[in-house]
Amino acid sequence: SQQGEEDPQALSIQEGENATMNCSYKTSINNLQWYRQNSGRGLVHLILIRSNEREKHSGRLRVTLDTSKKSSSLLITASRAADTASYFCATPLYNFNKFYFGSGTKLNVKP
Amino acid sequence: NAGVTQTPKFQVLKTGQSMTLQCAQDMNHEYMSWYRQDPGMGLRLIHYSVGAGITDQGEVPNGYNVSRSTTEDFPLRLLSAAPSQTSVYFCASSGPRDRPNTGELFFGEGSRLTVL
Repeated sequence: SQQGEEDPQALSIQEGENATMNCSYKTSINNLQWYRQNSGRGLVHLILIRSNEREKHSGRLRVTLDTSKKSSSLLITASRAADTASYFCATPLYNFNKFYFGSGTKLNVKP
Repeated sequence: NAGVTQTPKFQVLKTGQSMTLQCAQDMNHEYMSWYRQDPGMGLRLIHYSVGAGITDQGEVPNGYNVSRSTTEDFPLRLLSAAPSQTSVYFCASSGPRDRPNTGELFFGEGSRLTVL
């Protein structure tokens, strides 16, 4: 079964709005990562947050982690049409030998 | 710097045929892995390797073989293709081993396989 699950499955917003997507996971983690996938392309790493961190920023990205609730959120501020993509959370297990991905949130940013 | 290179990008097979998907990385990464991506299912781990000569199974290994004779290459073999193996396959690498807390995966562009 999937270790991480994203919510919502799909999200449609206007350019300039903020986009928030959530990830829940099942077991203890060392870190949680977010990836982006443009249509027909491979995944690209966005940001990593360690289990002892609660919040992390990278440009227009803000990630939070709540280990007590086993959940994380990714906020994209001031979204652009170029942010249209699918976003996945990933949790590495067993000393990083296995990464498990959720089914993703498909974000559509309308110009 | 090429990163992770997958070939072929597209392939059509008939049921029962065998083929090999190639994956090569030039980042001296010790960890390499294969995923398949199906609509609505996210990515599922097929096989992975933590170094030359070491491989292990992921979530969905049946019908696939791997080997790791060099650090750079990690081919995925379909032994007898079935329609259920129609999917997009991604190779990913991570490393080096002396920085295990990095954990970032680098992905290839994918290989789209159709089995008729």
